[in-house]
Amino acid sequence: QVQLKETGPGLVQPTQTLSITCTVSGFSLTSYYMQWVRQTPGKGLEWMGFIRSGGSTEYNSEFKSRLSISRDTSKNQVFLKMNSLKTEDTGVYYCARDQLGFDYWGQGVMVTVSS
Amino acid sequence: DTVLTQSPALAVSPGERVTISCKASESVSTRMHWYQQKPGQQPKLLIYKASNLASGVPARFSGSGSGTDFTLTIDPVEADDTATYFCQQSWNGHTFGAGTKLELK
Repeated sequence: QVQLKETGPGLVQPTQTLSITCTVSGFSLTSYYMQWVRQTPGKGLEWMGFIRSGGSTEYNSEFKSRLSISRDTSKNQVFLKMNSLKTEDTGVYYCARDQLGFDYWGQGVMVTVSS
Repeated sequence: DTVLTQSPALAVSPGERVTISCKASESVSTRMHWYQQKPGQQPKLLIYKASNLASGVPARFSGSGSGTDFTLTIDPVEADDTATYFCQQSWNGHTFGAGTKLELK
């Protein structure tokens, strides 16, 4: 069955880089777009960016200068890296599969940005 | 960016019909999707492309609309439907509404 699971640090210091891994099973990353969405107290649900089935990426302009999405298809993993973190980046980060809407989501990983 | 506007909260009694609205700041064709989120859980896809029921979702849920005005209808509402409902457009990038919190009386 389709499963997605995010793993990452619970706490990150301001100005540092956030790295989150989304490990998927039950489908191939070469067949679907994979999305990253976050949910913060200040802005609610925010689309961050995606990686296409072919491997190219697209980012929300709000994050474009500090966000990178990549993948390793051999490991069934998608990666999010965001630098220059601020306290406002505190929230839950989700990966989701995109097929006519975001049809499967991971359980999310809570990230707190604090010194 | 396309802004999606939802009413913040609704309260209904079990067995009633409820409509949740979402208004887009510009046309999104039928590229509107609806999600249900319960506390501590990830969002769950209910409706895709305005009116299509996602797999495994009860037929009590339905969606309609095109252009800038969309609605999610639950009929009849059940106690388990207490949740926040989000709309999301995928016509011009992706944006989410702020959510409508549905409470049962």
